[in-house]
Amino acid sequence: DTGVSQNPRHKITKRGQNVTFRCDPISEHNRLYWYRQTLGQGPEFLTYFQNEAQLEKSRLLSDRFSAERPKGSFSTLEIQRTEQGDSAMYLCASTPRNMNTEAFFGQGTRLTVV
Amino acid sequence: SQQGEEDPQALSIQEGENATMNCSYKTSINNLQWYRQNSGRGLVHLILIRSNEREKHSGRLRVTLDTSKKSSSLLITASRAADTASYFCATDQGGIKAAGNKLTFGGGTRVLVKP
Repeated sequence: DTGVSQNPRHKITKRGQNVTFRCDPISEHNRLYWYRQTLGQGPEFLTYFQNEAQLEKSRLLSDRFSAERPKGSFSTLEIQRTEQGDSAMYLCASTPRNMNTEAFFGQGTRLTVV
Repeated sequence: SQQGEEDPQALSIQEGENATMNCSYKTSINNLQWYRQNSGRGLVHLILIRSNEREKHSGRLRVTLDTSKKSSSLLITASRAADTASYFCATDQGGIKAAGNKLTFGGGTRVLVKP
């Protein structure tokens, strides 16, 4: 297993367009998380899946954001009608279903909205 | 919102020196973790310390945790140029059915190790 994989690595889009990111977690991990990180800040939690169930969403996840994990494996994060304020690094992480476990992060998708 | 603060925000040292950074947090935790991030890359896990532990070592890293003060420190000994990165503390509050292992991060300390 090569770890958590995210695609694309970079995305430049025009304001108002829709974008979709993909995350492939470590195969035996049933928990998957999305975070957003703006320049100079720490990552902020967006949403969390256990298998295919989306169990928690942050207030940061506006109505323009939707995340899915249809078969409990890979996940997608879609942003509709992008705004310049959506420019950030979007990080995906996965963990096994254990207490006291580290999170394994992907390399992130850097979104730039112009 | 960020769980807490990291101090200092930036640190510049010479190779071979020790680097110490501190993290404060606000709520009770299950564990506290430290991560490293090289510019524009993902986060790499360094060390996890549970709420009932006070000190932990891993190679050149030493982490302390004081739950009464809600604070932690990360010490990197004998620093190398390759240690140049941003370092983040993150807390796992645990215990809540829907929270999983959700992490709440501090703002990070940017460390520059000069050769």
